[in-house]
Amino acid sequence: DVKVTQSSRYLVKRTGEKVFLECVQDMDHENMFWYRQDPGLGLRLIYFSYDVKMKEKGDIPEGYSVSREKKERFSLILESASTNQTSMYLCASRPRTGWLPYEQYFGPGTRLTVT
Amino acid sequence: ILNVEQSPQSLHVQEGDSTNFTCSFPSSNFYALHWYRWETAKSPEALFVMTLNGDEKKKGRISATLNTKEGYSYLYIKGSQPEDSATYLCTTEIEDKLIFGTGTRLQVFP
Repeated sequence: DVKVTQSSRYLVKRTGEKVFLECVQDMDHENMFWYRQDPGLGLRLIYFSYDVKMKEKGDIPEGYSVSREKKERFSLILESASTNQTSMYLCASRPRTGWLPYEQYFGPGTRLTVT
Repeated sequence: ILNVEQSPQSLHVQEGDSTNFTCSFPSSNFYALHWYRWETAKSPEALFVMTLNGDEKKKGRISATLNTKEGYSYLYIKGSQPEDSATYLCTTEIEDKLIFGTGTRLQVFP
């Protein structure tokens, strides 16, 4: 079974703090993704990565950065947390399959509250 | 901006009822359509990944159809059970990225 784990289920941080959200997958997947989910909105892509040390901006990268030093780990960094970054954050991974589409495997999510 | 629309937003049904949801998506540059089920306090899990116009997939009591020319997909649940209660997400795939709809939240009452 593919397993995607996230470092915390719930997190409370103060405005201005630097926040690290960690994601680890155990199936040697090349592609990894960070999303946020807010009420009334679909999952929105923040950043994704095709391979180690590679990163691409998604639809809402402002205020975030990412790090992928190892294939299994993809970290989302909030450089200076703000209250509008209070959200549910989901990590996902999937293998690189060329032309064949493949499902994404999701972690359980981290609910971040910034006060 | 590409929009994926899902309807209804929420649905309450009795156990044993059959139900269906709609997902509409831009038909140009279509690559694939995914359906995910997201139960409370769990990870979203893939139900189907569909690519071909006219495709129909089935998993137990759940099935889905795809029309890529007109840009819609239907998800059907036959004889709903309380364990089917979840949010059902539809997403279209463009250049390796998924664009999600807001989901249909289904509650099945015993």
